[in-house]
Amino acid sequence: ILNVEQSPQSLHVQEGDSTNFTCSFPSSNFYALHWYRWETAKSPEALFVMTLNGDEKKKGRISATLNTKEGYSYLYIKGSQPEDSATYLCASCNQAGTALIFGKGTTLSVSS
Amino acid sequence: EADIYQTPRYLVIGTGKKITLECSQTMGHDKMYWYQQDPGMELHLIHYSYGVNSTEKGDLSSESTVSRIRTEHFPLTLESARPSHTSQYLCASSDRLQGSTEAFFGQGTRLTVV
Repeated sequence: ILNVEQSPQSLHVQEGDSTNFTCSFPSSNFYALHWYRWETAKSPEALFVMTLNGDEKKKGRISATLNTKEGYSYLYIKGSQPEDSATYLCASCNQAGTALIFGKGTTLSVSS
Repeated sequence: EADIYQTPRYLVIGTGKKITLECSQTMGHDKMYWYQQDPGMELHLIHYSYGVNSTEKGDLSSESTVSRIRTEHFPLTLESARPSHTSQYLCASSDRLQGSTEAFFGQGTRLTVV
């Protein structure tokens, strides 16, 4: 059974700070790594789906990297804004069609 | 904005009652999922469906049941609610096999059984 770990559990930064979170997952039989953003009272929303070792994806001020050999992914937020406040979930699966295994998430709070 | 809807958003109900949590999507996705999240814990898959008349149990054992009579509708039923069923339930869908593409989530149903 996959075990996906995220750190830190929570994080508080000031507006304009850059920050990053870590997601670690078993590297054997890796298939895909997902990042989701979950704002309070809203639905989780996909940020990235990554499959290739060394992959780097970017959406605005948010980017993610993937290392499948060592089993980790980083999510970076450049110049954090209050609207970035949310819980960021990472999920991995080891085969298409198998369950996504989620971490507990990193909750980010950005103060203005 | 994803077109997947869950009702009710919040439900407080007494022990022993039968409840149905509704989930509908208008994206034409074949694949649909139910996740359960206890406070402070991870999302866990409890049911999934790959199309009409297809239902499978997920990784986390659940006393709930699901049905998939129409593509757009994937309701979850608890025949006799118990306090241990208190949790948040999230419905999701995707257009390709689970894991290979992003999932679209509903806003969730927060269930409290008293």
